[in-house]
Amino acid sequence: DIHMTQFPPSLSASVGDRVTITCRASQTISRYLNWYQQKPGTAPKLLIYGTSNLQGGVPSRFGGRGSGTDFTLTISSLQPEDFATYYCQQGYNTPRTFGQGTKVEIK
Amino acid sequence: QVQLQESGPGLLKPSQTLSLTCTVSGGSISSGHYYWTWIRQPAGNELEWIGRISPSGSTNYTPSLKSRVTISLDTSKNQFSLKLRSVTAADTAVYYCARDDDSNEAFDMWGQGTRVTVSS
Repeated sequence: DIHMTQFPPSLSASVGDRVTITCRASQTISRYLNWYQQKPGTAPKLLIYGTSNLQGGVPSRFGGRGSGTDFTLTISSLQPEDFATYYCQQGYNTPRTFGQGTKVEIK
Repeated sequence: QVQLQESGPGLLKPSQTLSLTCTVSGGSISSGHYYWTWIRQPAGNELEWIGRISPSGSTNYTPSLKSRVTISLDTSKNQFSLKLRSVTAADTAVYYCARDDDSNEAFDMWGQGTRVTVSS
């Protein structure tokens, strides 16, 4: 199985801040890396697929970069509705695997 | 707009079989480049991929659960199902069904999730 490591596990930030979350795969996954946002009591929502492609309806303040084993999700200017937990996930092979999540909290 | 909805018992005793169904509306599970998937999340923690089934019925399962899991399709009802045998407290989780889009290898549609508790 491909192990996905996310860091930090949590962070505190203010509205308007630039936030970056990192995800590392235990082996190369090319660009098959997806990001999800999850708010309490709801299902995860796809934000970005294929490292950098925004899913329809996702604001442009979300951006993704990387390739191989190292990837980042950046929120350029944090908004109140962005406080949530973010997960990376590899789509390179099965079993699909997720990172442990990064909880973005209000400072 | 495709929608997914999980259904099934919310409380099980140890050693019983967990049976969940995902009903898909707004699109056919028999067509398209999608895999129909089950994912679980214990107590708000890490997401765990359980397995998936293709429109043709081919399946993939995560190795740690493979001996206890069966995912099947019912195209006449536009549903797919999960069976997990011999459950224990460690199987307590929110269970999600989701669509894995083969063109971008991502879960683009999710059900709302159903909580399953295993307790004696």
